[in-house]
Amino acid sequence: QLQLQESGPGLVKPSETLSLTCTVSGASISSSSYCWGWIRQPPGKGPEWIGSFDYSGNTYHNPSLKNRVAISVDTSKNQFSLKLSSVTAADTAVFYCARHFGSVQLEVDYWGQGTPVTVSS
Amino acid sequence: SYELTQPLSVSVALGQTAKITCGGNNIGGKNVHWHQQKSGQAPVLLIYRDRNRPSGIPERFSGSNSGNTATLTISRVQAGDEADYYCQVWDSCVVFGGGTKLTVL
Repeated sequence: QLQLQESGPGLVKPSETLSLTCTVSGASISSSSYCWGWIRQPPGKGPEWIGSFDYSGNTYHNPSLKNRVAISVDTSKNQFSLKLSSVTAADTAVFYCARHFGSVQLEVDYWGQGTPVTVSS
Repeated sequence: SYELTQPLSVSVALGQTAKITCGGNNIGGKNVHWHQQKSGQAPVLLIYRDRNRPSGIPERFSGSNSGNTATLTISRVQAGDEADYYCQVWDSCVVFGGGTKLTVL
């Protein structure tokens, strides 16, 4: 059974870098059948896609986040990570790791349980 | 950037049919997916590629997509269907609608 588990600090100071890791079990992040990525949801708002990657190492980012996003992959641990730099209070959200079926252009078919991150001094 | 427009809220009587719309420019030419998010939980995929249901999703949930509007239809609404519903498309990036809160009366 597929499980995606986010982990990382729940509190980050303004201007610092937010770092989260997603550990996947029940599927290989190296599989050509899926893409994997990050989505966030600010309090009381809808989800916002952050970025994703595919098995070939191609990465895709939400242009609204400009150059603040970095996604890295550790296939040996079946994990992938998110770094979001220069955070502000507007980055406070629940962060989800997720899977796309097939390509990043298709549906998000599984979501992790989510981890809340607050940006505050 | 591409925008998806959903009504903030929809109310429906128990046992009746609810329709939740997702508007976008020529959305009929895109694959639309729907997610259900119950309070305090992660979203769950409900409908993919306009009208397909993942395994385990009841037949009461259906989708359609044409022109500038995609529609999620929930038949025989149950109390447990109270949730936020989000549409999702791809337009050079993954785009989500703002969400619709379904209230069951």
